[in-house]
Amino acid sequence: GDSVTQMEGPVTLSEEAFLTINCTYTATGYPSLFWYVQYPGEGLQLLLKATKADDKGSNKGFEATYRKETTSFHLEKGSVQVSDSAVYFCALLRGGNKLTFGGGTRVLVKP
Amino acid sequence: DTGVSQNPRHKITKRGQNVTFRCDPISEHNRLYWYRQTLGQGPEFLTYFQNEAQLEKSRLLSDRFSAERPKGSFSTLEIQRTEQGDSAMYLCASSLSGGSTDTQYFGPGTRLTVL
Repeated sequence: GDSVTQMEGPVTLSEEAFLTINCTYTATGYPSLFWYVQYPGEGLQLLLKATKADDKGSNKGFEATYRKETTSFHLEKGSVQVSDSAVYFCALLRGGNKLTFGGGTRVLVKP
Repeated sequence: DTGVSQNPRHKITKRGQNVTFRCDPISEHNRLYWYRQTLGQGPEFLTYFQNEAQLEKSRLLSDRFSAERPKGSFSTLEIQRTEQGDSAMYLCASSLSGGSTDTQYFGPGTRLTVL
Protein backbone atom coordinates (compact mmCIF):
# COMPACT_ATOMS: atom_id res chain seq x y z
CA GLY A 1 0.00 0.00 0.00
CA ASP A 2 0.90 3.67 -0.08
CA SER A 3 3.31 5.00 2.52
CA VAL A 4 5.23 8.15 3.39
CA THR A 5 8.47 8.26 5.35
CA GLN A 6 9.89 11.44 6.74
CA MET A 7 12.84 12.16 8.95
CA GLU A 8 12.27 11.92 12.65
CA GLY A 9 12.60 14.97 14.80
CA PRO A 10 12.95 16.99 16.68
CA VAL A 11 15.01 19.21 14.46
CA THR A 12 16.47 22.08 16.45
CA LEU A 13 17.83 25.09 14.59
CA SER A 14 18.93 28.63 15.26
CA GLU A 15 17.07 31.51 13.65
CA GLU A 16 18.18 32.21 10.04
CA ALA A 17 19.53 28.67 9.61
CA PHE A 18 18.73 26.51 6.58
CA LEU A 19 16.04 23.87 7.05
CA THR A 20 15.65 20.59 5.18
CA ILE A 21 13.09 17.93 6.05
CA ASN A 22 13.39 14.75 4.02
CA CYS A 23 10.31 12.97 2.71
CA THR A 24 10.13 9.87 0.53
CA TYR A 25 7.06 7.99 -0.59
CA THR A 26 5.91 4.64 -1.93
CA ALA A 27 2.90 4.61 -4.22
CA THR A 28 1.87 3.30 -7.59
CA GLY A 29 0.98 5.70 -10.34
CA TYR A 30 1.29 9.45 -10.00
CA PRO A 31 0.22 10.74 -6.61
CA SER A 32 -0.09 14.39 -5.66
CA LEU A 33 2.24 15.42 -2.85
CA PHE A 34 1.65 17.84 -0.01
CA TRP A 35 3.29 19.44 2.98
CA TYR A 36 1.03 20.38 5.87
CA VAL A 37 2.10 22.30 8.97
CA GLN A 38 0.60 22.03 12.45
CA TYR A 39 1.31 24.87 14.87
CA PRO A 40 0.91 24.20 18.61
CA GLY A 41 -2.74 23.79 19.55
CA GLU A 42 -3.97 24.17 15.99
CA GLY A 43 -5.17 21.97 13.13
CA LEU A 44 -3.32 21.12 9.94
CA GLN A 45 -2.69 23.91 7.47
CA LEU A 46 -1.74 23.29 3.85
CA LEU A 47 1.76 24.65 3.29
CA LEU A 48 2.41 23.67 -0.33
CA LYS A 49 1.65 21.03 -2.92
CA ALA A 50 2.83 19.55 -6.22
CA THR A 51 0.73 17.50 -8.58
CA LYS A 52 3.20 16.09 -11.09
CA ALA A 53 6.84 15.19 -11.52
CA ASP A 54 9.30 18.11 -11.45
CA ASP A 55 6.63 20.51 -10.12
CA LYS A 56 7.91 22.83 -7.42
CA GLY A 57 5.53 23.91 -4.70
CA SER A 58 6.34 27.06 -2.72
CA ASN A 59 4.80 29.18 0.00
CA LYS A 60 6.03 31.45 2.81
CA GLY A 61 9.65 30.88 1.79
CA PHE A 62 9.28 27.08 1.86
CA GLU A 63 9.90 25.00 -1.28
CA ALA A 64 9.62 21.35 -2.27
CA THR A 65 10.20 19.68 -5.65
CA TYR A 66 8.39 16.51 -6.76
CA ARG A 67 11.16 14.08 -7.75
CA LYS A 68 9.66 10.96 -9.27
CA GLU A 69 13.02 9.34 -9.97
CA THR A 70 13.89 9.37 -6.26
CA THR A 71 10.25 9.29 -5.02
CA SER A 72 11.01 12.27 -2.83
CA PHE A 73 9.48 15.61 -1.87
CA HIS A 74 11.96 17.24 0.49
CA LEU A 75 10.95 20.49 2.21
CA GLU A 76 13.44 23.36 2.36
CA LYS A 77 13.59 26.88 3.70
CA GLY A 78 16.61 29.12 3.38
CA SER A 79 16.26 31.14 6.58
CA VAL A 80 13.96 29.97 9.34
CA GLN A 81 12.28 32.14 11.96
CA VAL A 82 11.11 31.34 15.47
CA SER A 83 7.55 31.44 14.11
CA ASP A 84 8.35 28.42 11.90
CA SER A 85 8.46 26.20 14.98
CA ALA A 86 5.80 23.57 14.32
CA VAL A 87 5.25 19.98 13.24
CA TYR A 88 5.53 19.39 9.49
CA PHE A 89 3.73 16.51 7.75
CA CYS A 90 4.43 15.16 4.29
CA ALA A 91 1.47 13.48 2.60
CA LEU A 92 0.41 11.90 -0.65
CA LEU A 93 -2.96 11.73 -2.38
CA ARG A 94 -3.72 9.04 -4.92
CA GLY A 95 -7.09 8.54 -6.51
CA GLY A 96 -8.49 11.73 -5.04
CA ASN A 97 -9.61 10.11 -1.81
CA LYS A 98 -7.61 9.62 1.34
CA LEU A 99 -4.39 11.36 2.25
CA THR A 100 -1.57 9.15 3.48
CA PHE A 101 0.63 11.01 5.96
CA GLY A 102 4.14 10.58 7.25
CA GLY A 103 4.77 10.56 10.97
CA GLY A 104 5.57 14.26 11.20
CA THR A 105 8.77 16.15 11.97
CA ARG A 106 8.87 18.56 14.86
CA VAL A 107 10.95 21.67 14.18
CA LEU A 108 12.10 23.97 16.95
CA VAL A 109 13.73 27.27 16.01
CA LYS A 110 15.61 29.06 18.76
CA PRO A 111 16.29 32.79 18.74
CA ASP B 1 -15.13 31.16 3.15
CA THR B 2 -15.14 30.55 6.89
CA GLY B 3 -13.08 27.38 6.80
CA VAL B 4 -13.83 23.99 8.29
CA SER B 5 -15.22 24.11 11.80
CA GLN B 6 -15.46 21.34 14.39
CA ASN B 7 -17.31 21.08 17.65
CA PRO B 8 -16.59 20.53 20.41
CA ARG B 9 -12.87 21.36 20.46
CA HIS B 10 -12.30 19.20 23.52
CA LYS B 11 -14.26 16.32 25.00
CA ILE B 12 -13.51 14.40 28.17
CA THR B 13 -15.60 11.33 28.80
CA LYS B 14 -15.61 8.19 30.89
CA ARG B 15 -15.00 4.80 29.42
CA GLY B 16 -18.18 3.25 28.13
CA GLN B 17 -19.95 6.52 27.33
CA ASN B 18 -21.03 7.57 23.84
CA VAL B 19 -19.71 10.74 22.23
CA THR B 20 -20.63 12.63 19.09
CA PHE B 21 -18.57 15.16 17.17
CA ARG B 22 -19.72 17.58 14.51
CA CYS B 23 -17.93 18.92 11.43
CA ASP B 24 -19.06 21.78 9.21
CA PRO B 25 -17.13 21.82 5.93
CA ILE B 26 -16.35 24.74 3.65
CA SER B 27 -19.74 25.54 2.17
CA GLU B 28 -19.22 24.63 -1.48
CA HIS B 29 -17.15 21.50 -0.79
CA ASN B 30 -18.86 18.24 -1.68
CA ARG B 31 -16.31 15.89 -0.09
CA LEU B 32 -15.81 15.48 3.63
CA TYR B 33 -13.21 13.35 5.38
CA TRP B 34 -12.56 12.16 8.92
CA TYR B 35 -9.07 11.35 10.21
CA ARG B 36 -7.71 10.32 13.60
CA GLN B 37 -4.40 11.54 14.97
CA THR B 38 -2.77 10.04 18.03
CA LEU B 39 0.00 11.79 19.94
CA GLY B 40 3.22 12.02 17.98
CA GLN B 41 1.78 10.41 14.86
CA GLY B 42 0.48 11.55 11.51
CA PRO B 43 -3.27 11.56 10.85
CA GLU B 44 -4.86 8.29 9.72
CA PHE B 45 -7.81 8.13 7.38
CA LEU B 46 -11.12 6.93 8.83
CA THR B 47 -13.83 7.60 6.24
CA TYR B 48 -15.04 10.00 3.58
CA PHE B 49 -18.26 11.22 2.02
CA GLN B 50 -19.11 12.59 -1.36
CA ASN B 51 -22.26 14.61 -0.79
CA GLU B 52 -24.34 12.39 1.54
CA ALA B 53 -22.87 9.07 0.38
CA GLN B 54 -20.21 7.40 2.52
CA LEU B 55 -17.86 6.01 -0.12
CA GLU B 56 -14.97 4.54 1.84
CA LYS B 57 -14.34 3.33 5.37
CA SER B 58 -10.99 2.38 6.86
CA ARG B 59 -10.66 -0.88 8.75
CA LEU B 60 -9.67 1.39 11.66
CA LEU B 61 -13.35 2.30 11.85
CA SER B 62 -14.68 -0.42 14.13
CA ASP B 63 -18.39 -1.11 14.49
CA ARG B 64 -18.44 1.24 17.50
CA PHE B 65 -17.82 4.14 15.13
CA SER B 66 -20.46 5.58 12.84
CA ALA B 67 -20.39 8.64 10.63
CA GLU B 68 -23.21 10.39 8.84
CA ARG B 69 -23.66 13.29 6.50
CA PRO B 70 -27.43 13.34 6.14
CA LYS B 71 -27.94 16.33 3.86
CA GLY B 72 -24.56 16.50 2.25
CA SER B 73 -23.51 19.42 4.42
CA PHE B 74 -22.34 18.90 8.02
CA SER B 75 -21.23 15.51 9.29
CA THR B 76 -21.27 13.76 12.66
CA LEU B 77 -18.93 11.10 13.98
CA GLU B 78 -20.26 9.02 16.85
CA ILE B 79 -18.24 6.66 19.02
CA GLN B 80 -20.22 4.23 21.13
CA ARG B 81 -18.95 2.57 24.30
CA THR B 82 -15.73 4.58 24.27
CA GLU B 83 -12.45 2.91 25.23
CA GLN B 84 -9.23 4.49 26.45
CA GLY B 85 -7.65 3.63 23.12
CA ASP B 86 -10.10 5.99 21.43
CA SER B 87 -8.29 8.97 23.01
CA ALA B 88 -6.99 10.98 20.07
CA MET B 89 -7.51 14.11 17.99
CA TYR B 90 -10.32 13.66 15.46
CA LEU B 91 -9.79 15.78 12.39
CA CYS B 92 -12.27 16.70 9.71
CA ALA B 93 -11.34 17.94 6.25
CA SER B 94 -13.24 18.97 3.15
CA SER B 95 -12.49 19.34 -0.53
CA LEU B 96 -14.12 20.11 -3.85
CA SER B 97 -13.90 17.17 -6.22
CA GLY B 98 -13.17 17.82 -9.87
CA GLY B 99 -10.73 20.66 -9.27
CA SER B 100 -7.11 20.70 -10.35
CA THR B 101 -6.26 18.71 -7.25
CA ASP B 102 -8.55 17.50 -4.53
CA THR B 103 -6.81 19.62 -1.91
CA GLN B 104 -8.14 18.88 1.53
CA TYR B 105 -8.60 21.69 4.05
CA PHE B 106 -8.62 20.73 7.70
CA GLY B 107 -10.55 21.93 10.70
CA PRO B 108 -9.00 22.53 14.13
CA GLY B 109 -9.91 19.07 15.38
CA THR B 110 -11.74 17.64 18.40
CA ARG B 111 -9.48 16.28 21.11
CA LEU B 112 -11.07 13.30 22.86
CA THR B 113 -9.85 12.08 26.24
CA VAL B 114 -11.36 8.87 27.56
CA LEU B 115 -10.78 8.35 31.28
